[in-house]
Amino acid sequence: DQQVKQNSPSLSVQEGRISILNCDYTNSMFDYFLWYKKYPAEGPTFLISISSIKDKNEDGRFTVFLNKSAKHLSLHIVPSQPGDSAVYFCAARYSGGGADGLTFGKGTHLIIQP
Amino acid sequence: DVKVTQSSRYLVKRTGEKVFLECVQDMDHENMFWYRQDPGLGLRLIYFSYDVKMKEKGDIPEGYSVSREKKERFSLILESASTNQTSMYLCASRRQGGSYEQYFGPGTRLTVT
Repeated sequence: DQQVKQNSPSLSVQEGRISILNCDYTNSMFDYFLWYKKYPAEGPTFLISISSIKDKNEDGRFTVFLNKSAKHLSLHIVPSQPGDSAVYFCAARYSGGGADGLTFGKGTHLIIQP
Repeated sequence: DVKVTQSSRYLVKRTGEKVFLECVQDMDHENMFWYRQDPGLGLRLIYFSYDVKMKEKGDIPEGYSVSREKKERFSLILESASTNQTSMYLCASRRQGGSYEQYFGPGTRLTVT
């Protein structure tokens, strides 16, 4: 049962335009969400996060929006740059105890076209 | 800067061999994690440790064990490697009580033949 879903395996965006990556989740016990970026042959690097008590968090070109009622979050990158080409993972933290690992989506491969 | 290092970037082992994957972090983080990443499946949690000698199973612990004898070091052990354990293995660490952000190592690409 996939609790964090990234339904677009890949996304192609022109340089300078907005990139929007989407993520849906099913577990209402998730209380914290993170986005990671991963280049080939490297570990994921943290990008931006949002607590479930907020609906928006912004950091430079990156903004994450959270819609709790829809169990949906999105990452906006404006403007998109060639270095943004990578796989983006959405991750969620479970507030109900147990192992404190993150639950990851399958990732979206973002390709920025020149 | 937090640094998480993994002992090998690439590893090739034979079926049935015992395999050790080592991870070291230099930020005095309490929590450490092992994930595997497979195409189309994202990252899946294998094991987690919140203190020295403490461990918890993640989502896919079968076929793996772990060891945490020192705070900075977290080892993943494949007791008898099998071909379905061919994967990218990622170690991560996090400070207890801080944000939930985890810092990842560069990964070990393990191939079991």
